Amino acid sequence: GGIITQTPKFLIGQEGQKLTLKCQQNFNHDTMYWYRQDSGKGLRLIYYSITENDLQKGDLSEGYDASREKKSSFSLTVTSAQKNEMAVFLCASGDTYNQAPLFGEGTRLSVL
Amino acid sequence: GNSVTQMQGQVTLSEEEFLFINCTYSTTGYPTLFWYVQYPGEGPQLLLKVTTANNKGSSRGFEATYDKGTTSFHLQKASVQESDSAVYYCVLGPYGGSGNKLIFGTGTLLSVKP
Repeated sequence: GGIITQTPKFLIGQEGQKLTLKCQQNFNHDTMYWYRQDSGKGLRLIYYSITENDLQKGDLSEGYDASREKKSSFSLTVTSAQKNEMAVFLCASGDTYNQAPLFGEGTRLSVL
Repeated sequence: GNSVTQMQGQVTLSEEEFLFINCTYSTTGYPTLFWYVQYPGEGPQLLLKVTTANNKGSSRGFEATYDKGTTSFHLQKASVQESDSAVYYCVLGPYGGSGNKLIFGTGTLLSVKP
């Protein structure tokens, strides 16, 4: 069976630091997503990509960069971590309009 | 624009009680609608989906009807169990014209007491 792997599971950074989160999927899905999850605010879309080398901004793209150099991988960079920031970043992948995207287990970010 | 509204932030029930979680949506298209469930420490996982308006989806005793007339997709379960405690998300899309986006509601935390 397929799997979505997010690394690292936990990430502790310093204020102002550039931090990179990685996501790999072996479903051969075309579309991949990055969401940010804050307590009480649900999931907010940061970036998504419909194919290799494609990038589409979500509602929360400011302060982030993304990269889709291969179909199987999608990375997210926090360009300058904010002090006291704490959130879970979720990667998902999917294919065709009717299939439900699948999620990884998340990367938990804390900024000191 | 496209949006999903879940008014209930938290629902607390006792085992075997009836569950109703409200969800309404706004869109100009004909999206697929989903309910996802998220357990602590895990990513969201699909609970059920409905691709066609006025159809019903069901899974593990949960059901939801895609009502285009009232633009609603409420989640129901006749008798909840403690193991149903989780966060439930109503989700819109993706569909043609939406750019493959998934739009999540803010989630409803269900706590079931034994």
